[in-house]
Amino acid sequence: EAQVTQNPRYLITVTGKKLTVTCSQNMNHEYMSWYRQDPGLGLRQIYYSMNVEVTDKGDVPEGYKVSRKEKRNFPLILESPSPNQTSLYFCASRGLAGVHGELFFGEGSRLTVL
Amino acid sequence: AQSVTQPDIHITVSEGASLELRCNYSYGATPYLFWYVQSPGQGLQLLLKYFSGDTLVQGIKGFEAEFKRSQSSFNLRKPSVHWSDAAEYFCAVGASPSGGSNYKLTFGKGTLLTVNP
Repeated sequence: EAQVTQNPRYLITVTGKKLTVTCSQNMNHEYMSWYRQDPGLGLRQIYYSMNVEVTDKGDVPEGYKVSRKEKRNFPLILESPSPNQTSLYFCASRGLAGVHGELFFGEGSRLTVL
Repeated sequence: AQSVTQPDIHITVSEGASLELRCNYSYGATPYLFWYVQSPGQGLQLLLKYFSGDTLVQGIKGFEAEFKRSQSSFNLRKPSVHWSDAAEYFCAVGASPSGGSNYKLTFGKGTLLTVNP
């Protein structure tokens, strides 16, 4: 089954404790991206990657890092989480064969930073 | 830069009634438009998309949307709502800002649909 898998789905952590949210897709997609969803703000892009070793900032990259060492994986790293990073995070991917294809989303990771 | 406006934060309809969710977009070129649905605790599921061609687009679960270039709108409709349609609905426009390599979706803030029995 084609899917985007995120882990963990739920996480409560404390300020300053480094954490990583993993994202993996099995569709051989070149493009991957992270979004955060906050009430009243919709979804906003954090980072994206066009392919292995190619990453760039989205609209709200502050406080986040990413890496793309393998095509299927695109982890989101919070080096020193803060309460304002409490949010629902979505990973998404798409192939680049179609110029404007749809994004496939994971089920989301709900992060709470105390 | 592209933007999406969903004017209605929350809509309540009775089961069996018709539904229309509004979406207005701003984008300088031909837009690529999407509607996603998010059920409680779930991820985003694509309902339908418009790239080109027929301006009336059919999607899953009995939804349809009509692209109106003159009004910069892409409203979502369903003739008869079911209780299982209760969810949050997001309209999005896809584009490559500034002609760059990042193809991203810009989302509206969502419309929460409540369905009364």
